[in-house]
Amino acid sequence: EPEVTQTPSHQVTQMGQEVILRCVPISNHLYFYWYRQILGQKVEFLVSFYNNEISEKSEIFDDQFSVERPDGSNFTLKIRSTKLEDSAMYFCASSQEDYGYTFGSGTRLTVV
Amino acid sequence: AQKVTQAQTEISVVEKEDVTLDCVYETRDTTYYLFWYKQPPSGELVFLIRRNSFDEQNEISGRYSWNFQKSTSSFNFTITASQVVDSAVYFCALRPTSYGKLTFGQGTILTVHP
Repeated sequence: EPEVTQTPSHQVTQMGQEVILRCVPISNHLYFYWYRQILGQKVEFLVSFYNNEISEKSEIFDDQFSVERPDGSNFTLKIRSTKLEDSAMYFCASSQEDYGYTFGSGTRLTVV
Repeated sequence: AQKVTQAQTEISVVEKEDVTLDCVYETRDTTYYLFWYKQPPSGELVFLIRRNSFDEQNEISGRYSWNFQKSTSSFNFTITASQVVDSAVYFCALRPTSYGKLTFGQGTILTVHP
């Protein structure tokens, strides 16, 4: 069964530092997403990406966030200057039109 | 705008009891997809089911069953003869198109006691 792979599984960073969360979507999928889940809360949409550009983004996805597909296989989420409130589980997902929507196992980001 | 409501924040049952998790949604789209995900303590999101808005047939998969009622905008999930391994957070989610974003409910924490 194809998987979405996320690295690292857990990252600790100091406030104000830049972090890059990495994802390898399923190879024939065309749509990519990042979601966030603050501890104990619901999963929230951040951004969707299609055809090398952002197709939709939420209010959470401000100028501190950016996404990139640098090499045709990886899909990254960058947070430029982390804040304490960015501590959360970040999920990457990919989908292919009418097929399933597959999530990675998540990266737990802790900002100290 | 899309909205998903899971009114039950926490449910606690004893093993072998049946339990139903409620999900009510709001959308103006005529075509949409509904999902259930399980989030065990390890944190990953495990896909359980996807149902499109044209298919109102109920579905059964082992001990799991789903009741989709378009008339009441509900997509409820029943676990029959619950087991301790069913303990998790369960999320209902809505997607308006085949590739759009998912809108999640708040989740229901299910605890199954031995």
